[in-house]
Amino acid sequence: EVQLVESGGGVVQPGGSLRLSCAASGFTFDDYAMHWVRQAPGKGLEWVSLISGDGGSTYYADSVKGRFTISRDNSKNSLYLQMNSLRTEDTALYYCAKQIQLWLGVWGQGTLVTVSS
Amino acid sequence: SYVLTQPPSVSVAPGQTARITCGGNNIGSKSVHWYQQKPGQAPVLVVYDDSDRPSGIPERFSGSNSGNTATLTISRVEAGDEADYYCQVWDSSSWVFGGGTKLTVL
Repeated sequence: EVQLVESGGGVVQPGGSLRLSCAASGFTFDDYAMHWVRQAPGKGLEWVSLISGDGGSTYYADSVKGRFTISRDNSKNSLYLQMNSLRTEDTALYYCAKQIQLWLGVWGQGTLVTVSS
Repeated sequence: SYVLTQPPSVSVAPGQTARITCGGNNIGSKSVHWYQQKPGQAPVLVVYDDSDRPSGIPERFSGSNSGNTATLTISRVEAGDEADYYCQVWDSSSWVFGGGTKLTVL
């Protein structure tokens, strides 16, 4: 069974940092690009970042460019999101998702990040 | 950046047909994908590549895409279809979601 499990969320002060992780299982991890998508409380989905299967290409939404870094460790079947200079508007449930062609075929259950003083 | 526009809400009686639109500039030239999100749950893909269904998704879910509008159609709506629905496209190395539509089953 394909499974994605996020972790690492929590409460952090504005300007702080947090590292999210996503553990993947049930598929050949390095064959697939992976994404982070977030959802602020009561709001819609917002795409955050994408990394290619080999980790060589990364893309970011303008809202997080220069502050967030996506990475992966294919030997550990894991995806990461390093979040620096966090702002209150980064408060959201963060999902990792597996890309299939041009859509997101599998999603995790999300990890909650709260940025508050 | 590319913008996808969805109506905030759509209401339909059980057994009727719900149509949820997703507007974008020349969206017909792109592949559109649709996700269903029920309260407290992660999104689930219900239609990909405009009109294809993943395995396990009922035939009641269908999609179309032409011109400036893509449409998700849900036939014979059931109470269990009540959820938020999001369209999504890929544009210039960026992934774009619509604002979401809340489907209410009356």
